[in-house]
Amino acid sequence: SSELTQDPAVSVALGQTVRITCQGDSLRSYYASWYQQKPGQAPVLVIYGKNNRPSGIPDRFSGSSSGNTASLTITGAQAEDEADYYCNSRDSSGNHLGVFGGGTKLTVL
Amino acid sequence: EVQLVESGGGLVQPGRSLRLSCAASGFTFDDYAMHWVRQAPGKGLEWVSGISWNSGSIGYADSVKGRFTISRDNAKNSLYLQMNSLRAEDTALYYCAKDSSSSPRYAFDIWGQGTMVTVSS
Repeated sequence: SSELTQDPAVSVALGQTVRITCQGDSLRSYYASWYQQKPGQAPVLVIYGKNNRPSGIPDRFSGSSSGNTASLTITGAQAEDEADYYCNSRDSSGNHLGVFGGGTKLTVL
Repeated sequence: EVQLVESGGGLVQPGRSLRLSCAASGFTFDDYAMHWVRQAPGKGLEWVSGISWNSGSIGYADSVKGRFTISRDNAKNSLYLQMNSLRAEDTALYYCAKDSSSSPRYAFDIWGQGTMVTVSS
């Protein structure tokens, strides 16, 4: 199965812009989805498809993709955005398999 | 209210079996693919298994293939995970997650709160 690689930790100053990346061969064929997980809570979908936000997700969250890299951008990070962020996608093998990145811990300074 | 409620977790000895259930409500269950995702204590998310709306397409992570079986009962709005030959490394919080499509697209828009499985002697 394929893998998705994320930086373990990223920090951003309050109100600034941060990009969290996810790399993997499967991303050349399939879009990534992005999830936010706060301590003790279930993950929440924040971006899916080309750049779609579920209802209730602030528009400061956006997604993009180029080649084998997908990115989640938070424009004007807020204190409440401090969380773990995970990407996922379909495996590139052609079988019906899913795969998650290892997660990125976002700290808002 | 759209909701997924998992049950069936607990403490089990290595080599034994356990069956997880996920009860869905608030949406048309048989319109969507469903998945199981797990998270070991202090670790990241791991996709475990997924099933299409009509059970025609099923997939398993390599780590559980041959030991776990996913199934669904659309009449009961329920998803299941039969876990056999359990190992210590299967210890995790198991989440039920709804796909955004009838066939697996791997965009999980609704999650349950999880049920904890601990494999230990």
